[in-house]
Amino acid sequence: DIQMTQSPSSLSASVGDSVTITCGATQSINSYLNWYQQKPGKAPNLLIYAASSLQSGVPSRFGGSGSGTDFTLTISGLQPEDFATYYCQQTYSAPFTFGPGTKVDI
Amino acid sequence: QVQLVQSGAEVKKPGASVKVSCVATGYTFTSYFIHWVRQAPGQGLEWMGWINPNTGGTKYAQKFQGRVTMTRYTAISTAYMELSRLTSDDTAMYYCARTITANQASEFWGQGTLVTVSS
Repeated sequence: DIQMTQSPSSLSASVGDSVTITCGATQSINSYLNWYQQKPGKAPNLLIYAASSLQSGVPSRFGGSGSGTDFTLTISGLQPEDFATYYCQQTYSAPFTFGPGTKVDI
Repeated sequence: QVQLVQSGAEVKKPGASVKVSCVATGYTFTSYFIHWVRQAPGQGLEWMGWINPNTGGTKYAQKFQGRVTMTRYTAISTAYMELSRLTSDDTAMYYCARTITANQASEFWGQGTLVTVSS
């Protein structure tokens, strides 16, 4: 199975900050990497698919990059509604494993 | 609009089985895979498997092989996930999700079904 890592596990930031979350895979997954945002008590919400494609309806302050084994999610200009937990997921090879998550709080 | 509506919360005893349904509306049910993902309280997301509603073909995570069965009833655009031999470790929110064909990212999610396993 492909294992996914994320760092940091949590971070504190302020409104307007830019934040970067990294995600790593234990083997190459090409660009089969997705990013989700989850708020407490809610289902996850797809932000980025195929490493860098912005999902419809997602604000352009969210950006993704990377390929192979190393990926990043960047939020440029953090907004109050962005405080949440973020997960990466590989869909290169089943089981489609998720990273452990990064909690972004104030 | 695309919607996935899941069945209500369940309380089960250890050793029992649970069957969660996921009703799809707003699109052609047989055109997109359905994935199942669970989340234990306070924990991260765990992928369980997928079903191809067109063919009924399935792929399960090894961890759940032999305990999970994913099925569908195309006439009513409904997918099901049944998990057997429940233990307290199976207490979790269970989600169904419709995926993007190109790379299987989960684009639309159900609201979740809480399954509690307790004696």
